[in-house]
Amino acid sequence: EPEVTQTPSHQVTQMGQEVILRCVPISNHLYFYWYRQILGQKVEFLVSFYNNEISEKSEIFDDQFSVERPDGSNFTLKIRSTKLEDSAMYFCASSVGGRGGTQYFGPGTRLTVL
Amino acid sequence: AQTVTQSQPEMSVQEAETVTLSCTYDTSESDYYLFWYKQPPSRQMILVIRQEAYKQQNATENRFSVNFQKAAKSFSLKISDSQLGDAAMYFCACLEYGNKLVFGAGTILRVKS
Repeated sequence: EPEVTQTPSHQVTQMGQEVILRCVPISNHLYFYWYRQILGQKVEFLVSFYNNEISEKSEIFDDQFSVERPDGSNFTLKIRSTKLEDSAMYFCASSVGGRGGTQYFGPGTRLTVL
Repeated sequence: AQTVTQSQPEMSVQEAETVTLSCTYDTSESDYYLFWYKQPPSRQMILVIRQEAYKQQNATENRFSVNFQKAAKSFSLKISDSQLGDAAMYFCACLEYGNKLVFGAGTILRVKS
């Protein structure tokens, strides 16, 4: 069964460094998402992406964040200058359709900012 | 604003018994979708079940079923014949206009052998 994959599973970085989290959505899916979960807290929406552009973003997704689909398979989340509070689990998800489409999640990348 | 509330931070169930996890939501939309996701200790988010708001029939997936009460904005998850592998955090989520899933705070389910 097709799955969303994410790399790396765990990323440790120093405050102020740039990180890129990578995701490979399910191949026939057209909508892509990033969510994050700070330890012990709710899963929060960051951004949705369709047709090579952001379709929706949350207030968390400020200028420090960017997303890109550099090729036909990868979907990346870049954090330009990491802060301690960016430490969280980051989940990528994808869906076939937009409106009401079931979102399937990847296994997550645990980001630790020191 | 859309909100999802899970009022049970933690629940316990004996193996082979039935347990119900509660969820209420608030939305002004008439067309929306509801989900339950399971998050085991590995922290992966796994889809358990999905319900379309326009469908009156409650969704079922094997041992998992929902009780969808649209007027009350309630969406509970029933797990029958609980198994040790069901132990996890369970999140209720709502998808209304757009593609943003809004999650509840989660309920930790413990299964006793």
